[in-house]
Amino acid sequence: NAGVTQTPKFQVLKTGQSMTLQCAQDMNHEYMSWYRQDPGMGLRLIHYSVGAGITDQGEVPNGYNVSRSTTEDFPLRLLSAAPSQTSVYFCASSSDRVNGYTFGSGTRLTVV
Amino acid sequence: AQSVTQLGSHVSVSEGALVLLRCNYSSSVPPYLFWYVQYPNQGLQLLLKYTSAATLVKGINGFEAEFKKSETSFHLTKPSAHMSDAAEYFCAVSDRETSGSRLTFGEGTQLTVNP
Repeated sequence: NAGVTQTPKFQVLKTGQSMTLQCAQDMNHEYMSWYRQDPGMGLRLIHYSVGAGITDQGEVPNGYNVSRSTTEDFPLRLLSAAPSQTSVYFCASSSDRVNGYTFGSGTRLTVV
Repeated sequence: AQSVTQLGSHVSVSEGALVLLRCNYSSSVPPYLFWYVQYPNQGLQLLLKYTSAATLVKGINGFEAEFKKSETSFHLTKPSAHMSDAAEYFCAVSDRETSGSRLTFGEGTQLTVNP
């Protein structure tokens, strides 16, 4: 099992550009989430999904879109990148709320 | 909304000393509680979890945590620190009452182990 796979690992964007961060899991988990990690702020929830076709906003959703067309994939879209979106992004998945999440290795995004 | 507070953004211990990382949650109903560890330039790895079975939970790498409802705490301990324990540790909470599985994290505690 690959677990949770995130691509790319590193990305530099110019302000105003758009891009999609990819996330795929092969564990047949229903729950998937996107977090951003900034120094001194822990991990903050951007969007999450409880199953294919169902998504909801987290703590910091502005500037990000998500969709969940399959159980396996949960891409995160930045529509118009801003320097404030410079961060490390983590995707995670879980079978239920009891077992905790399995995390990907992260995408380090820099917006210049 | 659930929240979790980690006391001390940096903790420094000597190798072989006790490790104590503090976590308090805010909820009238005991939530599910988790500790994660993050090594440099890596993702988060689950250390242990509390889901209302035993209040003393044992995890990987010799870590354990005790759930204390009266203190709304879930502190992480390890009797004897090893150099390889140097990492950032996150406490997280998941609400039992809402649908889905939103995990809320504390701000993290950076553990340094001195030789």
